[in-house]
Amino acid sequence: DAGVIQSPRHEVTEMGQEVTLRCKPISGHNSLFWYRQTMMRGLELLIYFNNNVPIDDSGMPEDRFSAKMPNASFSTLKIQPSEPRDSAVYFCASSLLEGLGYTFGSGTRLTVV
Amino acid sequence: RKEVEQDPGPFNVPEGATVAFNCTYSNSASQSFFWYRQDCRKEPKLLMSVYSSGNEDGRFTAQLNRASQYISLLIRDSKLSDSATYLCVVIEPGGFKTIFGAGTRLFVKA
Repeated sequence: DAGVIQSPRHEVTEMGQEVTLRCKPISGHNSLFWYRQTMMRGLELLIYFNNNVPIDDSGMPEDRFSAKMPNASFSTLKIQPSEPRDSAVYFCASSLLEGLGYTFGSGTRLTVV
Repeated sequence: RKEVEQDPGPFNVPEGATVAFNCTYSNSASQSFFWYRQDCRKEPKLLMSVYSSGNEDGRFTAQLNRASQYISLLIRDSKLSDSATYLCVVIEPGGFKTIFGAGTRLFVKA
């Protein structure tokens, strides 16, 4: 089991550029979650999917953020245009069943300059 | 009131000490509860689930008190390797929305 795989591990980009973060959940897990973590705000749930369908995107901060899950093995989180305040660690997590614990990926450390 | 609240610490304890963390939650209908551990610059990892009947895993014991709406984590015989941030997690009714506490930092020193 390779776990939840995220890419890239690190991303440094200039303000205004588009950023795409990628996630491959654990095979067979039907729930996928995107989180953002900063020192100031801790872990914030951005959006979650169940069976590839977005269930709740109320945590997505602005229209600049969008997420997709075209199939059970892949999801993207896109920021366009990026801003310095988007700098954070973005985690993807997956879960087999609702109510069970998650497995997190290693995260993408995003720096927008 | 925050949905999930934890004492941020830090808790500084010597090796071998017993340390306990509490976490309170605001939604009495919350369904499931967990403790996660996060090491510096790493992802959170599931430590243990929390049940009303209590849950013990080696040196770690987790308890849920629904009446008072808090969960606790007890670590006995602390090791240097226990140094980390401990995150309390509550799953809302419906089973999907998960709320993480801000975490409690623990430093175990020799």
